[in-house]
Amino acid sequence: GENVEQHPSTLSVQEGDSAVIKCTYSDSASNYFPWYKQELGKGPQLIIDIRSNVGEKKDQRIAVTLNKTAKHFSLHITETQPEDSAVYFCAANTGGFKTIFGAGTRLFVKA
Amino acid sequence: GAGVSQSPSNKVTEKGKDVELRCDPISGHTALYWYRQSLGQGLEFLIYFQGNSAPDKSGLPSDRFSAERTGGSVSTLTIQRTQQEDSAVYLCASSLAPIPSTDTQYFGPGTRLTVL
Repeated sequence: GENVEQHPSTLSVQEGDSAVIKCTYSDSASNYFPWYKQELGKGPQLIIDIRSNVGEKKDQRIAVTLNKTAKHFSLHITETQPEDSAVYFCAANTGGFKTIFGAGTRLFVKA
Repeated sequence: GAGVSQSPSNKVTEKGKDVELRCDPISGHTALYWYRQSLGQGLEFLIYFQGNSAPDKSGLPSDRFSAERTGGSVSTLTIQRTQQEDSAVYLCASSLAPIPSTDTQYFGPGTRLTVL
């Protein structure tokens, strides 16, 4: 089955800097890659997603890139702000109902 | 509008006791998921309901775990004879479907279960 690995597990950046989180997946049939943000005491919330027919997608300060050949995808946050501090999860889906999540990255943005 | 709600928010129980966790999905969402999130870990899929179809239970870790969804809406996750390794946050999510792979899952705040 699908396996998703996520790095780093913890990331600390200075406010205004960029943050990059990387994930790899094992199943070449995966075709949908959502990213979730989880704040303390809350459930994960979708922040951006990308489908396998697209190489890059951007939404304001957040962008996601996908390399199907290498089977990896990344989340890029520019001009980080303290409110970006949270746990971020990548995930992969092969077209069915089962979405496989990475272990998460805890992002700290220092003011 | 109202999001996914879960109750209780916290549950402390003794080893060997049964617990029930409740999930109220967003109105109109036909798909409902249960996940388990252990400390510092990602989300582990447990079970999936789609409309009135038989649920996919392939993620349930043991026969002590069961779930039902009444009337295609509210869902209850039951853990019998709880063990300390069951301690985790249990998350529920719902989505509109009918294409689960690309349909946004909306998560509830979770139930933090502690088994002493």
